[in-house]
Amino acid sequence: EIVLTQSPGTLSLSPGESATLSCRASQTVSISYLAWYQQKPGQAPRLLIYGASTRATGIPDRFSGSGSGTDFTLTVSRLEPEDFADYYCQQYGSSLPTFGGGTKVEIK
Amino acid sequence: EVQLVQSGAEVKQPGQSLKISCEVSGYSFSTYWIAWVRQMPGKGLEWVGTIYPGDSDTRYSPSFQGQVTISADKSISTASLQWSSLKASDTALYYCARGLNSGRLFDYWGQGTLVTVSS
Repeated sequence: EIVLTQSPGTLSLSPGESATLSCRASQTVSISYLAWYQQKPGQAPRLLIYGASTRATGIPDRFSGSGSGTDFTLTVSRLEPEDFADYYCQQYGSSLPTFGGGTKVEIK
Repeated sequence: EVQLVQSGAEVKQPGQSLKISCEVSGYSFSTYWIAWVRQMPGKGLEWVGTIYPGDSDTRYSPSFQGQVTISADKSISTASLQWSSLKASDTALYYCARGLNSGRLFDYWGQGTLVTVSS
């Protein structure tokens, strides 16, 4: 099983600032099959990024993903009020898809 | 428009059986995987398993193998997750999601079904 470790656990920022979220895998994620999801309270997760860096349909370009191998990053530039939420990374390169524990981006 | 609409919240006692459902619309049900994902109260996301309705090919997480059963009915475009004997530890929010990449990447999600198991 590939274990994904997200850091930090909580990120306290102000609107307009940039957020940098990290996701580290316990072993190489094949073909950069790494996705990011956003979840707001009381809502289902929403796919933001797949293939480590490809934005899903309708996702604003202030969301960007990067990385390969075992280290991946989600960057949210110019935080909007609606971006304050929980974020999860997920690998889908192995037969057992796994999620990270999440990063909470909260308003400072 | 792709939609996944899940059945309503359930409150059950330990030992009871339960089947929750996920009705899809807006795309061909038979040609995409459907996955189930668990979220325990205040916790993160866990993949339960995935089914391909076209041929009923089903895969389970080792953590859930033997604990739940996933099924699909093409005639009503509905996938289901069922338990034969619930435990208190099954209390969670369960999401269905459309699966890509052999059902391991989730692009559209249902609204979730809260399952509460309590005596």
